[in-house]
Amino acid sequence: SQQGEEDPQALSIQEGENATMNCSYKTSINNLQWYRQNSGRGLVHLILIRSNEREKHSGRLRVTLDTSKKSSSLLITASRAADTASYFCATDYSGNTPLVFGKGTRLSVIA
Amino acid sequence: DVKVTQSSRYLVKRTGEKVFLECVQDMDHENMFWYRQDPGLGLRLIYFSYDVKMKEKGDIPEGYSVSREKKERFSLILESASTNQTSMYLCASRSRVSGANVLTFGAGSRLTVL
Repeated sequence: SQQGEEDPQALSIQEGENATMNCSYKTSINNLQWYRQNSGRGLVHLILIRSNEREKHSGRLRVTLDTSKKSSSLLITASRAADTASYFCATDYSGNTPLVFGKGTRLSVIA
Repeated sequence: DVKVTQSSRYLVKRTGEKVFLECVQDMDHENMFWYRQDPGLGLRLIYFSYDVKMKEKGDIPEGYSVSREKKERFSLILESASTNQTSMYLCASRSRVSGANVLTFGAGSRLTVL
């Protein structure tokens, strides 16, 4: 399976702290995406980083990509209770095949 | 905004029943996908479709079939439900955003097979 792996599986932080989640994958990619899932709901696309990019920002989100290590990190700054959710990375290997999702990181932000 | 609608949020079925999970998208997307999500296993791809009447097997197609008679509708069928098919089922539609493929998901259908 080409499924990626997120690390840690679960993360609990205080409101206002930063949250960092990592994703590793196995083969070369076109791009890597992060999705968020609130409890019992579908996933929502957050941010995408292409293989030729190293860092990308969107609001309080910062994504980095290291293609030599086949890994990515998602940083959420100044976290809020509303950020409590599961976060998944998804890799696009060829541009036409389905995205491959990791197992997710469950983030709890305590007010 | 693209909307992907899954007709049933919660279903309870008995072993051996035939189950239909319906998914409709409203943005004329060609590509649609069915995933199942289980604790500790993440999302696994069951089937996908690149166009009407086309279907491709994903990683775990056994025990499932699909139907894509119209572009907007992609149905997942469990011919004879079994308890190990108790899961959360997620439908998604794919679009191009700035030259990359991005998925829009439905709210999910949580199926319990007794």
